[in-house]
Amino acid sequence: GQNIDQPTEMTATEGAIVQINCTYQTSGFNGLFWYQQHAGEAPTFLSYNVLDGLEEKGRFSSFLSRSKGYSYLLLKELQMKDSASYLCAVMDSNYQLIWGAGTKLIIKP
Amino acid sequence: EADIYQTPRYLVIGTGKKITLECSQTMGHDKMYWYQQDPGMELHLIHYSYGVNSTEKGDLSSESTVSRIRTEHFPLTLESARPSHTSQYLCASSPQGESTEAFFGQGTRLTVV
Repeated sequence: GQNIDQPTEMTATEGAIVQINCTYQTSGFNGLFWYQQHAGEAPTFLSYNVLDGLEEKGRFSSFLSRSKGYSYLLLKELQMKDSASYLCAVMDSNYQLIWGAGTKLIIKP
Repeated sequence: EADIYQTPRYLVIGTGKKITLECSQTMGHDKMYWYQQDPGMELHLIHYSYGVNSTEKGDLSSESTVSRIRTEHFPLTLESARPSHTSQYLCASSPQGESTEAFFGQGTRLTVV
């Protein structure tokens, strides 16, 4: 079966750095997405990786290793508004998105 | 900001009623999707469409139907609502292309009593 694993919840301090990991087992791979979802709101796109390596976009970076079935989202200079759930999703061989359950990130002052 | 709209935002309805959740997008996207999401859980694909007159079933499609008569409109119908249908329903769209990001609507929170 297809599976996406992420930690359920993480806590970090304002101004710090946090890394959210995602491991996946899917039938084929056509890219990995990270989305941010604030409570009660719709997910919004953060990043897309299809090749191995690091993609940087401001305070957020995303890394991919296809051979390990592994990705992480790195958030720097954490702000209170970063408190949200972070969803990892993999596009499989049929170009369907397989979603993880999300990691709830709690930022403390 | 994404131009994809869902109505209603909140709905409380009795068991056995037929309901239609509306979703419209003004971006001209060919692909549209319906997801169900319970709190703290992953998104489950209910139905999807790759264009007008194209609809496909996802993992949770058995108790609902969709139609795609116009590019911009993708309504979801529950023929007979049950308490197990209580959940958040998210509509999304994406442009043509194999690995493109999806834009989500604000969701409909449905409660069946």
